[in-house]
Amino acid sequence: DTGVSQDPRHKITKRGQNVTFRCDPISEHNRLYWYRQTLGQGPEFLTYFQNEAQLEKSRLLSDRFSAERPKGSFSTLEIQRTEQGDSAMYLCASSLMAYEQYFGPGTRLTVT
Amino acid sequence: KQEVTQIPAALSVPEGENLVLNCSFTDSAIYNLQWFRQDPGKGLTSLLLIQSSQREQTSGRLNASLDKSSGRSTLYIAASQPGDSATYLCAPGGNTPLVFGKGTRLSVIA
Repeated sequence: DTGVSQDPRHKITKRGQNVTFRCDPISEHNRLYWYRQTLGQGPEFLTYFQNEAQLEKSRLLSDRFSAERPKGSFSTLEIQRTEQGDSAMYLCASSLMAYEQYFGPGTRLTVT
Repeated sequence: KQEVTQIPAALSVPEGENLVLNCSFTDSAIYNLQWFRQDPGKGLTSLLLIQSSQREQTSGRLNASLDKSSGRSTLYIAASQPGDSATYLCAPGGNTPLVFGKGTRLSVIA
């Protein structure tokens, strides 16, 4: 297994555009997490899934953000009507239940 | 709400020194605690996972301890090397999403 993968690795978009990121977890992991990290800060939790069910969403996740995990495999995170404040590194992690979380390389979003 | 503090925020040491990074958290009702390493512009690499029932966990030159009742964890790095230069993050969690501190930025000077 090659670990958690994320696509794209970098995304530059103009304010107001929609963007979608993809995360492929480690195959046997049933939990998948999304975090956001800005410069000089630790990652902040956004949302997580257990299988295909979205179990928790942070209040950071405004209604412009939506995440899905169809069939409990890969996940997508969509941001609608992007704002400059959305510029950040978006990190995905996966785990088997409540055990060790493994992170992907991240998607760096720049909103111009 | 869980809050995590890491001290120091930055540390610069000469190669070969042993060092300790500190992590404190406010809610002791945790399932486990992970220590991560992050290189600039990269994702997080898991270094050690300590279950709440454990006191210590070791991997190579790294040793992490956990005192759940006092809300503290330490990461000990023995015989530091320039390749250890990175930001180190601790994150209590487990059955809830991880909560991160701002990390300790370590520079090991050759």
